[in-house]
Amino acid sequence: KQEVTQIPAALSVPEGENLVLNCSFTDSAIYNLQWFRQDPGKGLTSLLLIQSSQREQTSGRLNASLDKSSGRSTLYIAASQPGDSATYLCAVLKTTDSWGKLQFGAGTQVVVTP
Amino acid sequence: DTEVTQTPKHLVMGMTNKKSLKCEQHMGHRAMYWYKQKAKKPPELMFVYSYEKLSINESVPSRFSPECPNSSLLNLHLHALQPEDSALYLCASSQLQGSRRSNQPQHFGDGTRLSIL
Repeated sequence: KQEVTQIPAALSVPEGENLVLNCSFTDSAIYNLQWFRQDPGKGLTSLLLIQSSQREQTSGRLNASLDKSSGRSTLYIAASQPGDSATYLCAVLKTTDSWGKLQFGAGTQVVVTP
Repeated sequence: DTEVTQTPKHLVMGMTNKKSLKCEQHMGHRAMYWYKQKAKKPPELMFVYSYEKLSINESVPSRFSPECPNSSLLNLHLHALQPEDSALYLCASSQLQGSRRSNQPQHFGDGTRLSIL
């Protein structure tokens, strides 16, 4: 059974510091991995999707890496801002699951203090 | 602004009521999803529709009844819910490319906050 873990559960950093968020998964047979952001009381916003054949994806201040063999992905957010405060979730799509059945980690709650 | 629109944003209902949640997207996506999210927990998949047909039912109780009337709309009909069904209900959609899996990201709506009295 695939298990997706995110450590730490919560993180507080001062504005301007780089954020490093970790996601690990037990079954390396994944199709892709997606990072989301969720603001309180809101839905999920897709940040980055990494295909299993890729090592990293970048979008602006965001960079996500994927090491499928070790079952790890890391989301880097450069020069954090108070507006980056949110919960960040990773989700994997296994090769044995069909039709986009994502398995989510529990998330990392991030607070960026001014 | 999200490209997946869910209505209503909030819903309070009694255990004997019948209500429906609605979801709409105009991105041409052919896969649509219902998720349930409890406080401080990740979303849990309930149903998946692909090409307007039910593809996945994650053993959801029959008091939840999904419907996909066309490629842009997804409904969730609610009847005789229990207090433990109170949660945020999220709709999502993604492109399909003719295979059983989508390598495209899922796009979520802002959800319906459901409270059962």
